[in-house]
Amino acid sequence: DAKTTQPPSMDCAEGRAANLPCNHSTISGNEYVYWYRQIHSQGPQYIIHGLKNNETNEMASLIITEDRKSSTLILPHATLRDTAVYYCIVRVKGAQKLVFGQGTRLTINP
Amino acid sequence: ETGVTQSPTHLIKTRGQQVTLRCSSQSGHNTVSWYQQALGQGPQFIFQYYREEENGRGNFPPRFSGLQFPNYSSELNVNALELDDSALYLCASSLTSGSTDTQYFGPGTRLTVL
Repeated sequence: DAKTTQPPSMDCAEGRAANLPCNHSTISGNEYVYWYRQIHSQGPQYIIHGLKNNETNEMASLIITEDRKSSTLILPHATLRDTAVYYCIVRVKGAQKLVFGQGTRLTINP
Repeated sequence: ETGVTQSPTHLIKTRGQQVTLRCSSQSGHNTVSWYQQALGQGPQFIFQYYREEENGRGNFPPRFSGLQFPNYSSELNVNALELDDSALYLCASSLTSGSTDTQYFGPGTRLTVL
């Protein structure tokens, strides 16, 4: 079973920052937080992952709370192409599988 | 682009038939994982292959089987197809024993069972 809770849907205006929350209150000390997104009928796309420090790459930023019980994925300047289902996943490094929940359907509006 | 390719893109089969789906992993990766995604659901883990051996399996019956080849490409075989096998089948490649074992997905194969 998925160990994360995400809102089922969110809207964001084009050009604004999209902040997607994820609750993982039962996360273990050796579990990483991963984010993927899936644009309609395509394979999931890896975005970013982190353990306890905040992370940033060319796609997004990941903010993990100090107690690691929740995190936020930030898309700094959302575009229409960012419309997708976003999945937050917790996983131990080396674990075979990713456990996907229902994710958050993010819609970017013009 | 992840460098992970899958074939075919789409496939239509009838109940009771057998199907083989193929996956080529990203250059430098040695592990392939397979997932099934039913309509409106998140992907579900089928199994993983590492060094040509099954390295973990989800809650899928034995009629779902796989292979990994020396070049790390992989096949998913499904026997005795059922209507509920209609889904998007995804493979993901990764590097086991590397500094990161992030899984990168291919575009998927859409299987329809009639």
